[in-house]
Amino acid sequence: GENVGLHLPTLSVQEGDNSIINCAYSNSASDYFIWYKQESGKGPQFIIDIRSNMDKRQGQRVTVLLNKTVKHLSLQIAATQPGDSAVYFCAEIPGSSNTGKLIFGQGTTLQVKP
Amino acid sequence: DAEITQSPRHKITETGRQVTLACHQTWNHNNMFWYRQDLGHGLRLIHYSYGVQDTNKGEVSDGYSVSRSNTEDLPLTLESAASSQTSVYFCASSASGGYDEQFFGPGTRLTVL
Repeated sequence: GENVGLHLPTLSVQEGDNSIINCAYSNSASDYFIWYKQESGKGPQFIIDIRSNMDKRQGQRVTVLLNKTVKHLSLQIAATQPGDSAVYFCAEIPGSSNTGKLIFGQGTTLQVKP
Repeated sequence: DAEITQSPRHKITETGRQVTLACHQTWNHNNMFWYRQDLGHGLRLIHYSYGVQDTNKGEVSDGYSVSRSNTEDLPLTLESAASSQTSVYFCASSASGGYDEQFFGPGTRLTVL
């Protein structure tokens, strides 16, 4: 079945280092992937997205990589800051249905040490 | 500024009671979604709507219902609350396309005793 999951539940990094958060998905037909950031007590916030016809997309301090061969998605955060401490979720829209129906992974907690 | 709000932010109720959670957005978005978030899980889709009078079941719709009488609101009703429905509930909206960004509300923490 469709499954979007994360390899590690918690990632601890030193302030200023780069962070890499990983995600695996099982639906090879999925067309669209998104990374969300969720701070304590708040709703998820969009970070960056990528379509299946791309393998890399960059934003401000963030990069998403998509490896369709092994069905793997990663979020890279450059020069991690204390404000980056949050739970990060990957999500996909399964298949090519364009329905907006998101399937979320379980989340990785990013802890930034000063 | 346009926004999406949820009320109440916290709710405690008893098993068997009917509960309605409100979601209101001022972006004039066509699409609205309800998710629940449980410890150790990501968000799971309960119901969604693509416009007025349109509602659809999501992954975990049993025990929940929604109605869409206008563009701005999508209330979520628990017909007979169960302890298994203790969770944090998030509402989201997006413009119209399936790939349009979903904006999430602040969430409602519901406890069913």
